[in-house]
Amino acid sequence: GQQLNQSPQSMFIQEGEDVSMNCTSSSIFNTWLWYKQDPGEGPVLLIALYKAGELTSNGRLTAQFGITRKDSFLNISASIPSDVGIYFCAGQRNFGNEKLTFGTGTRLTIIP
Amino acid sequence: DVKVTQSSRYLVKRTGEKVFLECVQDMDHENMFWYRQDPGLGLRLIYFSYDVKMKEKGDIPEGYSVSREKKERFSLILESASTNQTSMYLCASSEGGTGRPEAFFGQGTRLTVV
Repeated sequence: GQQLNQSPQSMFIQEGEDVSMNCTSSSIFNTWLWYKQDPGEGPVLLIALYKAGELTSNGRLTAQFGITRKDSFLNISASIPSDVGIYFCAGQRNFGNEKLTFGTGTRLTIIP
Repeated sequence: DVKVTQSSRYLVKRTGEKVFLECVQDMDHENMFWYRQDPGLGLRLIYFSYDVKMKEKGDIPEGYSVSREKKERFSLILESASTNQTSMYLCASSEGGTGRPEAFFGQGTRLTVV
């Protein structure tokens, strides 16, 4: 099945740095979601976006629904050790009962 | 808060065994899903269900079956476990219909087939 293009695949940063990652598709999506997965756990929903251009924050996390509806971005400001994990984007193309398409994930590592 | 609970965190099974992975959600969600997660391959959909007793194949259904006899419970069955089914299995649920599309995940079951 289709997967969204998520980049970068991995990031190695120092504590306190800002982080940016993105998710792109060749198709238009009506909903974009961002999840975080801690090691050994299931993904947890961070932010949901429903309108093109929408900018939504959750603490130090900010996500944007791209104007073209073919991409989305996640930024983390002033990273801390508990930000370590895998971040997934997910999208739904059509409203209604359509299953989600997931990105391949961005693995975030914080260098001490 | 939505709670999706998977019956086991870790399982070790022998090749050829029939394996049952159980998942229960407590938010009256219509939709339930089973994914497997392997390094470098992301989340791959095995089966999903939009309603009780309904099931649809996902992207990688071979070697698996599912059962949904009650709305809150969705079981994944490995008919004859093989070593290439060693993986992390994730169950999820969502509202369904015209509801919000967000999927809520369980904590995962790490299955090792020896």
